[in-house]
Amino acid sequence: AQTVTQSQPEMSVQEAETVTLSCTYDTSESDYYLFWYKQPPSRQMILVIRQEAYKQQNATENRFSVNFQKAAKSFSLKISDSQLGDAAMYFCAYRGNDMRFGAGTRLTVKP
Amino acid sequence: DAGITQSPRHKVTETGTPVTLRCHQTENHRYMYWYRQDPGHGLRLIHYSYGVKDTDKGEVSDGYSVSRSKTEDFLLTLESATSSQTSVYFCAISDRAGDRYEQYFGPGTRLTVT
Repeated sequence: AQTVTQSQPEMSVQEAETVTLSCTYDTSESDYYLFWYKQPPSRQMILVIRQEAYKQQNATENRFSVNFQKAAKSFSLKISDSQLGDAAMYFCAYRGNDMRFGAGTRLTVKP
Repeated sequence: DAGITQSPRHKVTETGTPVTLRCHQTENHRYMYWYRQDPGHGLRLIHYSYGVKDTDKGEVSDGYSVSRSKTEDFLLTLESATSSQTSVYFCAISDRAGDRYEQYFGPGTRLTVT
């Protein structure tokens, strides 16, 4: 079965600085999608960014970008110019024949 | 925001009682999912549906059953609730053939089994 690992239970960043959240996954599939979801205290799961495995170009969404290393099975999220509203739990997710989530990273943003 | 509602939003029940959680969507999406969220585990798939009356098991399906009699409704039933089923339950929907695209989540239901 596919597994998703987020090795950083907690991270903190100073407002306006950049932070990178790590995610690795294990799979034997060649066709899959990867996602980062944000969960603020409201508990709502919000899609931040997605990456198709067949695309070599790293996905970007405004201040959010990923570093997708397919051979290394790594999918990190970079948040630039961090804002107080970025504080949340962040989940890495894998979608191939099934859907798997990492355990999450709690991001704190310091003013 | 995708039109997904969950009811109830909070529930406290006793061990051994049956519990049904409801997920309702207004997006006419084909695929619906039930997850549970527990500290240290992220989200884990319980059951999913790929159409009316078509359902399948996920990673943690023991002790749960589901039904989908209409496109818009997906019910999760705990036949006899146990304390280990205390959790936050999320419903999600998606609408791509091959099920490769992102899922949209409901607001969650916090269930406490005493």
